[in-house]
This record gives sequence, C-alpha cells and structure tokens, in this order.
Amino acid sequence: DVKVTQSSRYLVKRTGEKVFLECVQDMDHENMFWYRQDPGLGLRLIYFSYDVKMKEKGDIPEGYSVSREKKERFSLILESASTNQTSMYLCASSTVWRGKETQYFGPGTRLLVL
Amino acid sequence: GESVGLHLPTLSVQEGDNSIINCAYSNSASDYFIWYKQESGKGPQFIIDIRSNMDKRQGQRVTVLLNKTVKHLSLQIAATQPGDSAVYFCAEATYNNNDMRFGAGTRLTVKP
Repeated sequence: DVKVTQSSRYLVKRTGEKVFLECVQDMDHENMFWYRQDPGLGLRLIYFSYDVKMKEKGDIPEGYSVSREKKERFSLILESASTNQTSMYLCASSTVWRGKETQYFGPGTRLLVL
Repeated sequence: GESVGLHLPTLSVQEGDNSIINCAYSNSASDYFIWYKQESGKGPQFIIDIRSNMDKRQGQRVTVLLNKTVKHLSLQIAATQPGDSAVYFCAEATYNNNDMRFGAGTRLTVKP
C-alpha cells in the first residue's frame, strides 16, 4: 500500500512565523503535490513537483514556497504565516501507471495561524 | 472557467439503502475520473476510478457510472453502512496530465 505521511497533524503558529510542513511518500512516486482544503472550496492546488528539484506553481502559490531535495520528500514552506493561511493542508503523491494517474493523500495537517 | 462540481452538498440515507452521489464536469477533454472518500480528520482515500472509454465500473459495493454525453459522473454505494459516512469527492484529469481537478465534495450521512 502507498503510504504518504505528513510531519504534523495539528500546528498552531503565530502571524509572521515561518512554517515548514513536511511530506514523505514511500512508493518512489515521481509526482508530489500540496493542496489546501477549505470548507466549500474543495481542494486547491498550491504547488506540485514532477521530479527532484523541480517545482511548478498550482492555482494558489502566493505566500508559499516548496522544496524537493529528495524524491520521497516534498516540503511546503510558509515564509511569513498569515491568518488567511489557516487551513487543512494535504500532501499527495502519484505515478502514471497504465496511463492512469491516481493521487494518494496523506492524513493532512490542520494549521491554525493566530 | 471549467470546473468539477457536485449537484448536492449533503446526502442523508438510511442504513441498508443504496446511495447515489452525483458529479458534473465541464471539461470535455477529461478522460480519467476518480472518486475519493474523506472521513473526518483524515486525508482523501481512493475508492474507484474510470477511464472515458468505459461507462460503468464496479468495485466492492461501489459502482461508478460515466455519462460523457451530459458530462456526468455518479458513485453508487450499495447497502450503505454507517462506516460509509464521509465526504465524497470526484476528480477529473486528462491522460498523462498531472493537473487533477477536484469537486467541492458531498457529505454522506448514514442514519441507523
């Protein structure tokens, strides 16, 4: 089974703090993703990565950056946390197999910015 | 813009009944669709998928139907159980494209 883990289930940070969210997958997947999930808005893509050291902006990259130094690890960084970044953050990984790509998700990190 | 959406935000069913969750999509180029289940406090979990060259696919107690003519996707859950209570998302993607779009989700509540 694919396993995607996230470093924290819950985080409380103060406005202006730098926040690191870590994601690790154990299936040697090429692709990794960071989403945020807000009530009524569904999943919105922040950044994704096709390979080590590669990154692409998603729909809402402002206020975020990412790092992929190793294939299994994809980090989301909030350079200066703001209250509107309070959300559930979901990491996912995928590979293309038989022409299909299914994303497998981690358990999520619920971030509260005060 | 094009989007993936759901007809109903909530659905309540009696235990043992069948459930049908609907999803509309508008990108005619989408050729791969997935249903995810998200339980409270957990990440989305893959349930079943379907390619656009099919109109029906069955899993264990679940069936996905795809109607490309009206760009409609549905998830049928047979003999719904309390453990099926969750938010269900549809997602669409194009072949070998990492750009997967998710619907907002439908909350299914199963009453005992």
